[in-house]
Amino acid sequence: DAKTTQPTSMDCAEGRAANLPCNHSTISGNEYVYWYRQIHSQGPQYIIHGLKNNETNEMASLIITEDRKSSTLILPHATLRDTAVYYCIVRVDSALGSARQLTFGSGTQLTVLP
Amino acid sequence: DAGVIQSPRHEVTEMGQEVTLRCKPISGHDYLFWYRQTMMRGLELLIYFNNNVPIDDSGMPEDRFSAKMPNASFSTLKIQPSEPRDSAVYFCASSGVWTPNTGELFFGEGSRLTVL
Repeated sequence: DAKTTQPTSMDCAEGRAANLPCNHSTISGNEYVYWYRQIHSQGPQYIIHGLKNNETNEMASLIITEDRKSSTLILPHATLRDTAVYYCIVRVDSALGSARQLTFGSGTQLTVLP
Repeated sequence: DAGVIQSPRHEVTEMGQEVTLRCKPISGHDYLFWYRQTMMRGLELLIYFNNNVPIDDSGMPEDRFSAKMPNASFSTLKIQPSEPRDSAVYFCASSGVWTPNTGELFFGEGSRLTVL
């Protein structure tokens, strides 16, 4: 799986959009970008994933650059409950068993400030 | 859906004792994963199962660790004998049949182990 680089920490004001960047310059054509987050003392939680098109769900939006070497997770209206470590993960995604696991990096600690 | 259920949530034991952590995956999921999280090493995959069969145990730190999945609704992670460096939060996760739009991992709340 391709390696990802994320800032160690970020702050965001409550109610504003939180934009979390991720670099994955060695990504391959068949690798997806996944985002998970981990709120303190809880298990990681799936947020969103994409291959090359921008994606949106009820939690967030994922913007992937045209060359797919970087992406941005957007939380449109951050709340205090969004304070967490956010992990960007790149992996091949298929029905093959070897592709099912996730390899977590250090992630970005997002702190939403009141 | 109750989600992935882990027990115990907290365990404090003394060095040398046997520790057994338990996991009940989401019904219908055919993949089960055991992860360990420490401040120093972050989240590490220990082992994962597909249809109750261990597929990759290369992350298991040493022979003191063992994992089993006797049926589709139950898995255990055992440490015998336990050591202080095993202190960590152990997470279980499960995943269902993969399609291009699904297949994410669902994690339990974790079991916090402290070995004195």
